[in-house]
Amino acid sequence: QQQVKQSPQSLIVQKGGISIINCAYENTAFDYFPWYQQFPGKGPALLIAIRPDVSEKKEGRFTISFNKSAKQFSLHIMDSQPGDSATYFCAASKGGYQKVTFGTGTKLQVIP
Amino acid sequence: DAGVIQSPRHEVTEMGQEVTLRCKPISGHDYLFWYRQTMMRGLELLIYFNNNVPIDDSGMPEDRFSAKMPNASFSTLKIQPSEPRDSAVYFCASSFPSGGAETQYFGPGTRLLVL
Repeated sequence: QQQVKQSPQSLIVQKGGISIINCAYENTAFDYFPWYQQFPGKGPALLIAIRPDVSEKKEGRFTISFNKSAKQFSLHIMDSQPGDSATYFCAASKGGYQKVTFGTGTKLQVIP
Repeated sequence: DAGVIQSPRHEVTEMGQEVTLRCKPISGHDYLFWYRQTMMRGLELLIYFNNNVPIDDSGMPEDRFSAKMPNASFSTLKIQPSEPRDSAVYFCASSFPSGGAETQYFGPGTRLLVL
């Protein structure tokens, strides 16, 4: 019930391409879905987040798409750059409940 | 703000030794989390505190692990005795819920190697 499944495990994208990472959850009580970005040797940092009352949220080149009925959400990185190379974690939590369930992570490599 | 501070950044110890990891959360944050990250298991929540009180320690692997938060600006994660399988990166994170947003701010981590 608390699991968040993330795919793919790793991803290689050409510079300028679109990177897509998918996540699925089971617990319908989840109502907050953040994405964290982690560079090597650093801790994860919040990238973008969405609540289920909207189907899409865009911040610059990063977009979250949310499908409540399918219990799925995805991160799209448009015009991917080598500086985007990092590990990305999707996550989910219940409102007012601080425990966050993280996905297993996707290692993204953007090649020139 | 200096962000979440963790020490040491790297720790190498021998099996059976006691290991103490330290964390200073962001001032004003009332939630503190300890995570463990490994290639095999990803990012695992070990324990979290609210206002210095442990709320959920269900992720603590076994009795060898203990965590304390004696005050709002300091927390420790102790492993006694340590084992090679404890080798991982341990992260501390803190948060301050605002408008329902649950952003966690992670420290740089402590890379632990148990020989």
